[in-house]
Amino acid sequence: SQTIHQWPATLVQPVGSPLSLECTVEGTSNPNLYWYRQAAGRGLQLLFYSVGIGQISSEVPQNLSASRPQDRQFILSSKKLLLSDSGFYLCAWSVERYNEQFFGPGTRLTVL
Amino acid sequence: AQKVTQAQTEISVVEKEDVTLDCVYETRDTTYYLFWYKQPPSGELVFLIRRNSFDEQNEISGRYSWNFQKSTSSFNFTITASQVVDSAVYFCALYTGGFKTIFGAGTRLFVKA
Repeated sequence: SQTIHQWPATLVQPVGSPLSLECTVEGTSNPNLYWYRQAAGRGLQLLFYSVGIGQISSEVPQNLSASRPQDRQFILSSKKLLLSDSGFYLCAWSVERYNEQFFGPGTRLTVL
Repeated sequence: AQKVTQAQTEISVVEKEDVTLDCVYETRDTTYYLFWYKQPPSGELVFLIRRNSFDEQNEISGRYSWNFQKSTSSFNFTITASQVVDSAVYFCALYTGGFKTIFGAGTRLFVKA
């Protein structure tokens, strides 16, 4: 069966510090991968998606970036965090036909 | 353009009451897929159901049921005899292709004991 891992689960970072969040999927090949952000009490904002290694589509050009160095690994990064980057970050995977997405446990990021 | 509207921001019910969460979608595509997800307080979104545009049959799974009506572009979700464990945020979503799924803003359900 497929599983998706995200780490860390929680993170507190100062403004201006770098960020690296990692997501890995097991039990499937060539998945579509997604990064979403959810502000407190709000809906889901799609940040990036990837349909293959090295292929990244950005939905929200900000100080965040994403990379997919391996088929089942998706990384979200920032060189300098802003206060507005605080939120709950969710990684998800899907297969194309239905795009039924399966989500990881999320990372709660607080930027102080 | 595709859009998903969940007009109910928050709903509060007492345990054992039935509750319906509304979802209205917009798309010009004839082939599309609709989903419901549950986000409990732990945060992880849990997939509940997928329905494709060619299948208007209602679905029942235990206390959960879904009513898909293309004539009104609605895909409503009913919880029968609600329980405290049903307290969560519920998201309706639409997929028409192109790798991106459109999520509604979510409905927060409080079930009080």
